Amino acid sequence: GEDVEQSLFLSVREGDSSVINCTYTDSSSTYLYWYKQEPGAGLQLLTYIFSNMDMKQDQRLTVLLNKKDKHLSLRIADTQTGDSAIYFCAETIYNQGGKLIFGQGTELSVKP
Amino acid sequence: GAGVSQTPSNKVTEKGKYVELRCDPISGHTALYWYRQSLGQGPEFLIYFQGTGAADDSGLPNDRFFAVRPEGSVSTLKIQRTERGDSAVYLCASSLDRNEKLFFGSGTQLSVL
Repeated sequence: GEDVEQSLFLSVREGDSSVINCTYTDSSSTYLYWYKQEPGAGLQLLTYIFSNMDMKQDQRLTVLLNKKDKHLSLRIADTQTGDSAIYFCAETIYNQGGKLIFGQGTELSVKP
Repeated sequence: GAGVSQTPSNKVTEKGKYVELRCDPISGHTALYWYRQSLGQGPEFLIYFQGTGAADDSGLPNDRFFAVRPEGSVSTLKIQRTERGDSAVYLCASSLDRNEKLFFGSGTQLSVL
């Protein structure tokens, strides 16, 4: 079955690195995504990784994928107070038309 | 338009009433998705359209929920006989084609009193 799990909370100090972790169960995942949601706002696509990649870097964001362990992480370098939000990991399954399965979200709190 | 547009942004209704929620996808996007997000949860899939047809409606919770996309662009999610448990944010997303990246609207906050 499909299931995506995330830890619920993470608190860091401004300037530190944040690492948000996610595990998924479906080995036929094609794309894995990270979305950011600020209070009262929709979902903002942050970055994504194709399932045949191990790592993707995009400015302050680094995504690591361990297919063997079905583990995905998002590292935010030099975390700022503006990064405070809820971060959702999501997977999409090739033969299901791009339907996304989301985790329950990790609330990131950045303290000055 | 520049992004996915959803109207209204907020809808308050009474138990038992009928509501319609509208989604305007990004121009040229053939795939359109509806999700529901309850407080403190991740979005849950409801239905997916490829063009005008519903390719996967396995996430619709019961027959009170229905969605259409008659011309392959704008979509309307319809909820009959609303219940308090239907209160949530309803999110719409579109993508260029199936298996492409999804772009989300800001959602409609539905409150059933």
